[in-house]
Amino acid sequence: NAGVTQTPKFRILKIGQSMTLQCTQDMNHNYMYWYRQDPGMGLKLIYYSVGAGITDKGEVPNGYNVSRSTTEDFPLRLELAAPSQTSVYFCASSYPGQGPNEQFFGPGTRLTVL
Amino acid sequence: ELKVEQNPLFLSMQEGKNYTIYCNYSTTSDRLYWYRQDPGKSLESLFVLLSNGAVKQEGRLMASLDTKARLSTLHITAAVHDLSATYFCAVDQYLMDSNYQLIWGAGTKLIIKP
Repeated sequence: NAGVTQTPKFRILKIGQSMTLQCTQDMNHNYMYWYRQDPGMGLKLIYYSVGAGITDKGEVPNGYNVSRSTTEDFPLRLELAAPSQTSVYFCASSYPGQGPNEQFFGPGTRLTVL
Repeated sequence: ELKVEQNPLFLSMQEGKNYTIYCNYSTTSDRLYWYRQDPGKSLESLFVLLSNGAVKQEGRLMASLDTKARLSTLHITAAVHDLSATYFCAVDQYLMDSNYQLIWGAGTKLIIKP
């Protein structure tokens, strides 16, 4: 199992540009999450999904969009990038219905908006 | 609303010493998780604690959960430099319809000096 994979690993955007961060998991987990982590800080939940076709906002959803058309994939879309979106983005997945809600994380995408 | 507090947020200690990181949470839950994050890396699951009195140990780290006190501890015994990292606790919050959400602490940055 590859677990949770994310692409790209690094990206530099100009203000106003858009991009999609990709996330794929091969563990058949129903829950998937997007977090951001600013330097020296903890995790903030952006969006999450409890299954294909179902998404919901987290703590900091403004400026982002998500979709979940399959169990495996949960892309995060940034529209009109702003410097405040400079951060490290982590995707995670879990399967609380089959036991604990232990989340498994991808390696992260380091995004800089200039 | 469930809140999770860790303390200390920063800890610098000498190799060979013992210390404890505390994780307090504000409402009832019996599922708590500890994660480790090395600088520039993703989060790695350390311990899953699923009931009152649960104790897990891995090498020099031991985690415990007291659901009545709403407190978990991460104890470090005879610290070594390799344990330098940021440690996060997270608590399961039950939502409606068998859905759960992890609420995260701010993290404890641990530096172990030779």
